[in-house]
Amino acid sequence: GENVEQHPSTLSVQEGDSAVIKCTYSDSASNYFPWYKQELGKRPQLIIDIRSNVGEKKDQRIAVTLNKTAKHFSLHITETQPEDSAVYFCAASKGTNAGKSTFGDGTTLTVKP
Amino acid sequence: NAGVTQTPKFQVLKTGQSMTLQCAQDMNHNSMYWYRQDPGMGLRLIYYSASEGTTDKGEVPNGYNVSRLNKREFSLRLESAAPSQTSVYFCATRPIPGPYEQYFGPGTRLTVT
Repeated sequence: GENVEQHPSTLSVQEGDSAVIKCTYSDSASNYFPWYKQELGKRPQLIIDIRSNVGEKKDQRIAVTLNKTAKHFSLHITETQPEDSAVYFCAASKGTNAGKSTFGDGTTLTVKP
Repeated sequence: NAGVTQTPKFQVLKTGQSMTLQCAQDMNHNSMYWYRQDPGMGLRLIYYSASEGTTDKGEVPNGYNVSRLNKREFSLRLESAAPSQTSVYFCATRPIPGPYEQYFGPGTRLTVT
């Protein structure tokens, strides 16, 4: 089955700096790659996603890049703010098989004011 | 619309007791999922249901059973709880076919002593 590895497990940055989180996946048939943000005690919520026919997607301060050949994708957050502090999860899934997702283990991002 | 709801929010069980976690959605989604989240780890899939009347095992199904009662409801049952099942349980839904974003419930925090 699919295996998703996420790095780093913890990341601390100064407010205003950029943060990058990387994920690799194993199944070349995966075609949908979402990123979820989970604040303490809350549910995971989608912040951005990318499909396999696109190399990059941006939404204000957040961007995701995908390299299908190398089977890795990354989350980029620019101009970080304290409210960006949370756990971020990447995931990979296919359109078939009930759309099951495999999640990475998460990255705890701390943005220091 | 309530989205995805879960009951109860918190539960403490003694080893060997049984209980059922309830999940309901008003989003008219076909697929529903049960995950567990342990400290410092990602979301691991317990069971899923691609559509009403079907259920399948995920990564960590041992010790659990599920019922897809109708399109709206998907329950998770622990027949004989064990301390290793202490975790936060999330239900999620996804429209299939369609966008692949998963929508999560608020979670149930379960402690088994």
